[in-house]
Amino acid sequence: EDQVTQSPEALRLQEGESSSLNCSYTVSGLRGLFWYRQDPGKGPEFLFTLYSAGEEKEKERLKATLTKKESFLHITAPKPEDSATYLCAVQARGQNFVFGPGTRLSVLP
Amino acid sequence: GAVVSQHPSWVICKSGTSVKIECRSLDFQATTMFWYRQFPKQSLMLMATSNEGSKATYEQGVEKDKFLINHASLTLSTLTVTSAHPEDSSFYICSARKGTAGTEAFFGQGTRLTVV
Repeated sequence: EDQVTQSPEALRLQEGESSSLNCSYTVSGLRGLFWYRQDPGKGPEFLFTLYSAGEEKEKERLKATLTKKESFLHITAPKPEDSATYLCAVQARGQNFVFGPGTRLSVLP
Repeated sequence: GAVVSQHPSWVICKSGTSVKIECRSLDFQATTMFWYRQFPKQSLMLMATSNEGSKATYEQGVEKDKFLINHASLTLSTLTVTSAHPEDSSFYICSARKGTAGTEAFFGQGTRLTVV
């Protein structure tokens, strides 16, 4: 059974304090790993897609990396507006996305 | 590009009535649409997957007669909650994928349903 876990469950950072969020997965035949950002009361916003181990993608203060067992979302010098829940999802042989529980990030000014 | 619009953003209905939620892909044709339910501080729970012109595939435990999904075109899917009860109150979110399996999906803004 495909599974996705994320850690930590919640993270509080000071503005400018860089950190990483982890997404560990167990799937048969990974077709893609996806990162989303979700603000309270809104639908998730697409951030990145990663397909193969070693792949990296960047967008502003965010960088996503992928290995054969996990993905990291690195946040460099975060700002309060980066506060949100970050969701990781995988897609394996089926067409459905399997979502992790998310990491609630709070960036304090 | 890749905008998904969901309507309404919130709705309050009386117990026993039905509510329809629309999900539209505004600037692309969606090969597959997904419907999720989300409880407070929890992740997304997939309810069903639908392809245009085909019957939806429901996840285990989701009542297909209660949650009617119609995917009539490549840009529109609807979720109808029939005979709604207070326990159906939740945040419902749709997503749409324009490519084949392995490509990203884009989400609507969600619908907050409250059944009183």
